[in-house]
Amino acid sequence: EPEVTQTPSHQVTQMGQEVILRCVPISNHLYFYWYRQILGQKVEFLVSFYNNEISEKSEIFDDQFSVERPDGSNFTLKIRSTKLEDSAMYFCASRNDRNTEAFFGQGTRLTVV
Amino acid sequence: KNEVEQSPQNLTAQEGEFITINCSYSVGISALHWLQQHPGGGIVSLFMLSSGKKKHGRLIATINIQEKHSSLHITASHPRDSAVYICAAGVNTDKLIFGTGTRLQVFP
Repeated sequence: EPEVTQTPSHQVTQMGQEVILRCVPISNHLYFYWYRQILGQKVEFLVSFYNNEISEKSEIFDDQFSVERPDGSNFTLKIRSTKLEDSAMYFCASRNDRNTEAFFGQGTRLTVV
Repeated sequence: KNEVEQSPQNLTAQEGEFITINCSYSVGISALHWLQQHPGGGIVSLFMLSSGKKKHGRLIATINIQEKHSSLHITASHPRDSAVYICAAGVNTDKLIFGTGTRLQVFP
């Protein structure tokens, strides 16, 4: 069964460092998302991406965040200068169509120290 | 006030029991999603529904659009059903707004 894959599964980084979280969505999907879940809290929307551009972003997704689909298969989330409060589980998701179910990756646990 | 509310927050059951998890939402939706999150953290989609009822194995999801309410039922619960069950509202801008989840533990 096709799946969304995320790498790495766990990343530890020092405050102020740049991190790139990688995702390979399901191959025929057109809509891509990043969500995050701070430990003990609910999952929050970060950004949606369609047709090679951001279609919506949340207040969390400030200038420190960016997304890219560099080569038609990968979908990356970059955090330019990490803060302690960026520590969370980051989930990538993809959908074939806006009206179909979303498929989620297993998540990347980011720990900023 | 949260846009998506779930109840209960925690639920324990004996194997074989019938389980109901409730979800109320205050936003306009294109669809309501039920998802399952296991201890490792991964999220799996269970149902997406915009009206009526859907069934998959021992899982049943219902939605009442007028009352902005959905329920997830598990029949003949089993310890392997232990997980966090999350309701999420799919809004017209196509993002999902998540509820806080219901932690279910089923004991043998």
